[in-house]
Amino acid sequence: AQSVTQLDSHVSVSEGTPVLLRCNYSSSYSPSLFWYVQHPNKGLQLLLKYTSAATLVKGINGFEAEFKKSETSFHLTKPSAHMSDAAEYFCVVSERNYGQNFVFGPGTRLSVLP
Amino acid sequence: DAGVTQSPTHLIKTRGQHVTLRCSPISGHKSVSWYQQVLGQGPQFIFQYYEKEERGRGNFPDRFSARQFPNYSSELNVNALLLGDSALYLCASRQDTSYGYTFGSGTRLTVV
Repeated sequence: AQSVTQLDSHVSVSEGTPVLLRCNYSSSYSPSLFWYVQHPNKGLQLLLKYTSAATLVKGINGFEAEFKKSETSFHLTKPSAHMSDAAEYFCVVSERNYGQNFVFGPGTRLSVLP
Repeated sequence: DAGVTQSPTHLIKTRGQHVTLRCSPISGHKSVSWYQQVLGQGPQFIFQYYEKEERGRGNFPDRFSARQFPNYSSELNVNALLLGDSALYLCASRQDTSYGYTFGSGTRLTVV
């Protein structure tokens, strides 16, 4: 069965400092992995996806994530936080054996301090 | 291009009532899925439809049902509403399984 753990429910950083949002997954087979962002009262926006190509994935707005199979991790990073990055971030796993349906993590709320 | 559109955006219902939520996918997207997001949690998978056929069902009671129409739009129906059904209901569409989902802004359902 698939599952996702997001190790921090809340992360707070200062503007201009690096961001690290941690995600570990459990999957029986080769998974696809995604990061989505949700701003208050908005829908979910795709940041980036890993689908068995390059292990370092670059996304929108300067975000990137590295797939590490040995560690079953898919951590999200950004070199320099911006105030507009404050939002809820969800790590997602999907598998062909489960119809490629999404299993979401519980989310990490990112706060960016001025 | 229009994204995934959902209607209504907000809805208030009374316990025991029935509700229908609607979703129009992005043009050309044949797969539609529904997710429930309770406040403070990640979305939970309810249904997936592809080419008008149900391709997946999450762990939800039979009070929840859905269908997909020939134009690929979809409806989610919930009968005998409970207070615990209060949530943001998200619809998502994709071209095929090699792509990520594009989500709509959701319908906020409040059951009182």
